Amino acid sequence: GAGVSQSPSNKVTEKGKDVELRCDPISGHTALYWYRQSLGQGLEFLIYFQGNSAPDKSGLPSDRFSAERTGGSVSTLTIQRTQQEDSAVYLCASSLAGAAGNTIYFGEGSWLTVV
Amino acid sequence: EDQVTQSPEALRLQEGESSSLNCSYTVSGLRGLFWYRQDPGKGPEFLFTLYSAGEEKEKERLKATLTKKESFLHITAPKPEDSATYLCAVRTYNNNDMRFGAGTRLTVKP
Repeated sequence: GAGVSQSPSNKVTEKGKDVELRCDPISGHTALYWYRQSLGQGLEFLIYFQGNSAPDKSGLPSDRFSAERTGGSVSTLTIQRTQQEDSAVYLCASSLAGAAGNTIYFGEGSWLTVV
Repeated sequence: EDQVTQSPEALRLQEGESSSLNCSYTVSGLRGLFWYRQDPGKGPEFLFTLYSAGEEKEKERLKATLTKKESFLHITAPKPEDSATYLCAVRTYNNNDMRFGAGTRLTVKP
């Protein structure tokens, strides 16, 4: 597609339930990133995928968070046993090879509300 | 540790009143400094990339400049549609991700 596509755009879930957020990167982009933006806060790095290399999970806040990328394209971010503090916008982004300082392009985000 | 600090946190301008936003950074091995615009309820929209001190980029009413310690986003004769949060970010040789500042929330009143 023309840009980074994320779904769902909005999700309301009950505390303790699991959620899955999907990201479809720009065609041809080998690097994929997940960020989290809490209300009024800056962007917080979560995880990075580059090609077939092992992902950089250094930003994941707890073991309730995980992500996978299938076939080097679509990625899914999973949050298990959601807590109210998980409420935020989850932004996916992609770029050409991540190590080259290339520009990162963002999707519109998935707004997660945990009630 | 890499740090990116933006100032001011919020800026209110009258239409046509030029000003500058600041992004100061402390990083090891800068690969690039990036400016994004973010409208409410939207993802960040790419504006500029600067790679070396002395570099300047322009787009319509916006001009970004870079020194070894900071970057400025100059807004000339702003219009109400320039109202948004402007984010500064850096990429370094030490990290895979892009590190963001907290942003400057710009409001331009007609």
